[in-house]
Amino acid sequence: DTGVSQNPRHKITKRGQNVTFRCDPISEHNRLYWYRQTLGQGPEFLTYFQNEAQLEKSRLLSDRFSAERPKGSFSTLEIQRTEQGDSAMYLCASSLEVNNQPQHFGDGTRLSIL
Amino acid sequence: AQSVTQPDIHITVSEGASLELRCNYSYGATPYLFWYVQSPGQGLQLLLKYFSGDTLVQGIKGFEAEFKRSQSSFNLRKPSVHWSDAAEYFCAVGARNNDMRFGAGTRLTVKP
Repeated sequence: DTGVSQNPRHKITKRGQNVTFRCDPISEHNRLYWYRQTLGQGPEFLTYFQNEAQLEKSRLLSDRFSAERPKGSFSTLEIQRTEQGDSAMYLCASSLEVNNQPQHFGDGTRLSIL
Repeated sequence: AQSVTQPDIHITVSEGASLELRCNYSYGATPYLFWYVQSPGQGLQLLLKYFSGDTLVQGIKGFEAEFKRSQSSFNLRKPSVHWSDAAEYFCAVGARNNDMRFGAGTRLTVKP
């Protein structure tokens, strides 16, 4: 068990640029989640996959955000035309399919918009 | 929808002293409750969880939490705090595993 892996750990970009983050879940976990965490707050749910199917999206996920999990393994989160307000820590978590199994988190990708 | 309140933004305790972090939840059905810890620049690590059964649950690192349905609370406790416990602590409530809501967190500082 190598845990949930997220890359890159840090991303600094100019406003208006596109960014993409990657998450590799624990190998036997078929559920994958994305969260956003701003300073002084708890994680906020963005979206969730079961295998390759994206089953739920938060209203926080504007149309500039897109997430994929093409083969049911790793996932990517893309933000287009980044804005200052996108600066945050983006966390990925994975879990087994059985309901209410705890989610295991990666170390996150910290995004800073200049 | 479920929600979580952590009333204390920041708590300072002396090393060796006992600790209690408060968590209140709002949910219409039986909640699924979690405590996570986050060190600076890191992800969240699960300390303990409550799904059903015994209302006093034991977790890692010597932590425990007690579910009190009458008070809608799930407070985290540790009898003797170590300097390495300094971190941010998050309580979370899950209706389903794909809709977990976190509190805003409590930052713990440990004085030598």
